[in-house]
Amino acid sequence: DGGITQSPKYLFRKEGQNVTLSCEQNLNHDAMYWYRQDPGQGLRLIYYSQIVNDFQKGDIAEGYSVSREKKESFPLTVTSAQKNPTAFYLCASSRTGGEIFNEQFFGPGTRLTVL
Amino acid sequence: AQSVTQLDSHVSVSEGTPVLLRCNYSSSYSPSLFWYVQHPNKGLQLLLKYTSAATLVKGINGFEAEFKKSETSFHLTKPSAHMSDAAEYFCVVRDFTGGGNKLTFGTGTQLKVEL
Repeated sequence: DGGITQSPKYLFRKEGQNVTLSCEQNLNHDAMYWYRQDPGQGLRLIYYSQIVNDFQKGDIAEGYSVSREKKESFPLTVTSAQKNPTAFYLCASSRTGGEIFNEQFFGPGTRLTVL
Repeated sequence: AQSVTQLDSHVSVSEGTPVLLRCNYSSSYSPSLFWYVQHPNKGLQLLLKYTSAATLVKGINGFEAEFKKSETSFHLTKPSAHMSDAAEYFCVVRDFTGGGNKLTFGTGTQLKVEL
């Protein structure tokens, strides 16, 4: 059964703590993405990676970090430097291929709440 | 830079009546445009995409959208709403900077379907 899994579904964190969100895909996609979703703001890109061991900052990378050591995994760490981390986080993946648009497939999301 | 504006944050229709969700775009290039749907606390699913072929694009679940260059619009329509269509809908434009597969999302339209 192919797809993208994110865990946990709900996550609670105390202020000042780092927390890592998991994203795994078995679609054999080269590219992976992390988005943040806030009510009324759509999705905003945090980080993306087009190949293993390489990643780029998106529009709102401050306070976040990622790694891409394996093709199928792209974990996101929300650090204590992120001032307003409470949000819904979505991971996506896609093939890569120049001018051709490659559909991004989304995971079910992780809802992070800072207490 | 590319951007999209969703003109309505909330739309309410009765079951069996037509749906119209409005989207205007801004792009320096010939744009690639998409509509995604998100059911509550779920990931996003691609409804349809326009990539410079036919201007009337048919998607899943009876939705379609028409690309109108003169009006810079890409409105989403469905002839007859069903209760299961209640969800949030995002108009999205492909961002050609930095690699070709980044997406810029609109702020979303929440569709409510009433009996």
